[in-house]
Amino acid sequence: GNSVTQMEGPVTLSEEAFLTINCTYTATGYPSLFWYVQYPGEGLQLLLKATKADDKGSNKGFEATYRKETTSFHLEKGSVQVSDSAVYFCALRANTGFQKLVFGTGTRLLVSP
Amino acid sequence: GAGVSQSPSNKVTEKGKDVELRCDPISGHTALYWYRQRLGQGLEFLIYFQGNSAPDKSGLPSDRFSAERTGESVSTLTIQRTQQEDSAVYLCASSSTGTSFSGTQYFGPGTRLTVL
Repeated sequence: GNSVTQMEGPVTLSEEAFLTINCTYTATGYPSLFWYVQYPGEGLQLLLKATKADDKGSNKGFEATYRKETTSFHLEKGSVQVSDSAVYFCALRANTGFQKLVFGTGTRLLVSP
Repeated sequence: GAGVSQSPSNKVTEKGKDVELRCDPISGHTALYWYRQRLGQGLEFLIYFQGNSAPDKSGLPSDRFSAERTGESVSTLTIQRTQQEDSAVYLCASSSTGTSFSGTQYFGPGTRLTVL
């Protein structure tokens, strides 16, 4: 079945450091890929998405590129801020069937001043 | 409404009791999803509604779990005879369509269920 694997956390960085959170997936066909973020005390929010190979999703300085050859969708940001501290979830959605999301286990990011 | 809302935000119950969790989707959203997040784990899909029918119930973990939806509005998730392993955050999401490749799912804040 479809699955998502993302790096274990927590990831601890200093402000302005470069961020990478790895995400790889297993799926049949051509799924859509997503990054969701959960800030402390808040609900899950869509951060960015990509719907086909080589697409780059971007939002709030975060980027991720859909790499079909490596089945990956790694999240990157050039310079993190304290306000980016949150839990980040990688997810996929099969483009057939009923559109349910399959999530990774989440990666907690802690950014210190 | 402004977003997906869920109630209660927290629920503590004793083992063996029944609980009902409520989800109010974004107005006009035809698709509604329930997910569960157990401590230290990712979100697990439970059930999907399109309107008031549930074409995908594949994630419901046992027959103690059931859900219904009134038209394209409120949904309730019921857990009967709760067990300690049911302790989790239950999340609801809605989207404007369940079959479009571009439909984004918007999540509610969740209900934290603790079974003692």
